[in-house]
Amino acid sequence: QSVLTQPPSASGTPGQRVTISCSGSSSNIGRNFVYWYQQLPGAAPKLLIYRDSRRPSGVPDRFSGSKSGTSASLAISGLRSEDEAEYYCAVWDDSLSGRNWVFGGGTKLTVL
Amino acid sequence: QVQLVQSGAELRKPGASVRVSCRTSGYTFSSYGISWVRQAPGQGLEWMGWISGSNGETNYARKFRGRVTMTTDSFTSTAYMQLRSLRSDDTAVYYCVGPHGYWGQGTLVTVSS
Repeated sequence: QSVLTQPPSASGTPGQRVTISCSGSSSNIGRNFVYWYQQLPGAAPKLLIYRDSRRPSGVPDRFSGSKSGTSASLAISGLRSEDEAEYYCAVWDDSLSGRNWVFGGGTKLTVL
Repeated sequence: QVQLVQSGAELRKPGASVRVSCRTSGYTFSSYGISWVRQAPGQGLEWMGWISGSNGETNYARKFRGRVTMTTDSFTSTAYMQLRSLRSDDTAVYYCVGPHGYWGQGTLVTVSS
């Protein structure tokens, strides 16, 4: 059971816009920056979004992140076949047990 | 450019220990910490802990406390993660994560009798 809740799957057709949600709480998303990762099969995760909505250099502006309260979203516009991958949200969680980096369960994006 | 290069795949028997290394380059090692994250086959990502690159301060996930030790060698800019008392469910790809979202290539650790 992940601390952050993501839908297990999402899908879209080429050119479409899809969004992936990530729900947390006041101890994590509500107070810390959200990160989004893309993981292709057999590869290490790649940073897509940091500090809620910033893109590292080299990440296309088709990818965007947003946050409101204790939820965050990743939007992918102009969907392409190479976007088919697993997507994870991540955030630092400040709880009584200490500071932990927590991940969502992942969302498998299928490009139809 | 920032690079994190991990040691090769390991095979261990249940009850044994494993140490995975993560050699870094392209940035000032003492300015950032290293996290370790693992991924069991077909599963999601699981954070194991973090170690400071400057003073060796550690923060282990509760699940791994008592079984994991993270260390660093500032002379070689290398981080290490040792996991003891291995079980079959420790079979996973282990990643080190450095600054600016850079990840190592992953190290497969297989625990099997």
